[in-house]
Amino acid sequence: QVQVVQSGAEVKKPGASVKVSCKSSGYTFTSQAVHWVRQAPGQRPEWMGWISDGNTNTKYSPKFQGRVTFTRDTSASTGYMELSSLRFEDTAVYFCAIIDLGDYWGQGTLVTVSS
Amino acid sequence: EIVMTQSPATLSVSPGERATLSCRASQSVSGNLAWYQQKPGQAPRLLIDGASTRASGIPARFSGSGSGTEFTLTISSLQPEDFAVYYCQQYNNWRTFGQGTKLEIK
Repeated sequence: QVQVVQSGAEVKKPGASVKVSCKSSGYTFTSQAVHWVRQAPGQRPEWMGWISDGNTNTKYSPKFQGRVTFTRDTSASTGYMELSSLRFEDTAVYFCAIIDLGDYWGQGTLVTVSS
Repeated sequence: EIVMTQSPATLSVSPGERATLSCRASQSVSGNLAWYQQKPGQAPRLLIDGASTRASGIPARFSGSGSGTEFTLTISSLQPEDFAVYYCQQYNNWRTFGQGTKLEIK
């Protein structure tokens, strides 16, 4: 069955970068896009964008354009989300999701930005 | 950006009763509307896609309706596990969520 496992919680200072990983199994990794969603405490989820299957095209929300980068390592069946120039308001749970195959989400990664 | 507005913010209903949740889009999203359920500490779970199609494994007590700018999620007979936060999401132009409706036990 499909499983999606994310990396653990991170604490970062303002201005730093964070890289979250998302390891998938149970399907052909190169056949599906990896989507990224974040949710600040007590707020609605927010779609950040995705990296497509195979050809690694990316689509970013204008809100994050220039600060976020999605990559994928096919050999490791792992997708990555890197967010730079972190601000206090980037404190959130970051999810990856494989939604075109079904409704498969990682468990979420809490990123805390604190001085 | 398409803005999604849900009502009410909180809905108090007794187990076994019917719950009706509403979602309005700032412009037409056609039928490109999904409903998600989220419990504390968990990822959102897809309930309804295409405004009215239940996702795999979702019980028949969940139903969705609407098109254009007005949508409804109905839970016909509330079970204890249904008390959670519900979000609508449009995917006609990017993907944006409503602010959520908290369904609580009365």
